[in-house]
Amino acid sequence: AQSVAQPEDQVNVAEGNPLTVKCTYSVSGNPYLFWYVQYPNRGLQFLLKYITGDNLVKGSYGFEAEFNKSQTSFHLKKPSALVSDSALYFCAVRDGGYGQNFVFGPGTRLSVLP
Amino acid sequence: ETGVTQTPRHLVMGMTNKKSLKCEQHLGHNAMYWYKQSAKKPLELMFVYSLEERVENNSVPSRFSPECPNSSHLFLHLHTLQPEDSALYLCASSQVRLGAYEQYFGPGTRLTVT
Repeated sequence: AQSVAQPEDQVNVAEGNPLTVKCTYSVSGNPYLFWYVQYPNRGLQFLLKYITGDNLVKGSYGFEAEFNKSQTSFHLKKPSALVSDSALYFCAVRDGGYGQNFVFGPGTRLSVLP
Repeated sequence: ETGVTQTPRHLVMGMTNKKSLKCEQHLGHNAMYWYKQSAKKPLELMFVYSLEERVENNSVPSRFSPECPNSSHLFLHLHTLQPEDSALYLCASSQVRLGAYEQYFGPGTRLTVT
């Protein structure tokens, strides 16, 4: 069975500093990995995904994520945080093939302090 | 966010009422999903429709009844709900193909059961 862990409920970072939101996963086959962001009273917005290829994936709003197969991790990063990045971030995994069962992590609340 | 719309955005209902949530996607996708998002809980996948056939039904109580009349529309019929069913209900869509195709979410319906 697939699973996703986000070990931190809350991440605080000062504006302008780099940020990292952690994600580890477990899946039987090749993982397809995703990051989503949720702002208050809104649905989830897709940020980026890893399917195959380059381990460093670039996405929307300056975010990127690094796939590490040996550590089964897919951490979300941004070189310089903005106050407007404050939101709830979800990591998700789907196994390869035609399966449509996406499994989401519990979410990490990011607060960027001015 | 306009790719997937949900109505109503807010709903308050008594335990004996019957109501329906509506979702519509304008992205040409062929899979649609219902998720339940409760405070301090991971996102719960409720139902998946792929090519208008239900392919996932994750032990959801029978008081929730989905309907997918075509690839663009998805309904969630509600009856005799319980207060613990109060949550944000999110609809999503994606394209079913071999590979990792991300989901696009609607803004959600905030449901309160009194």
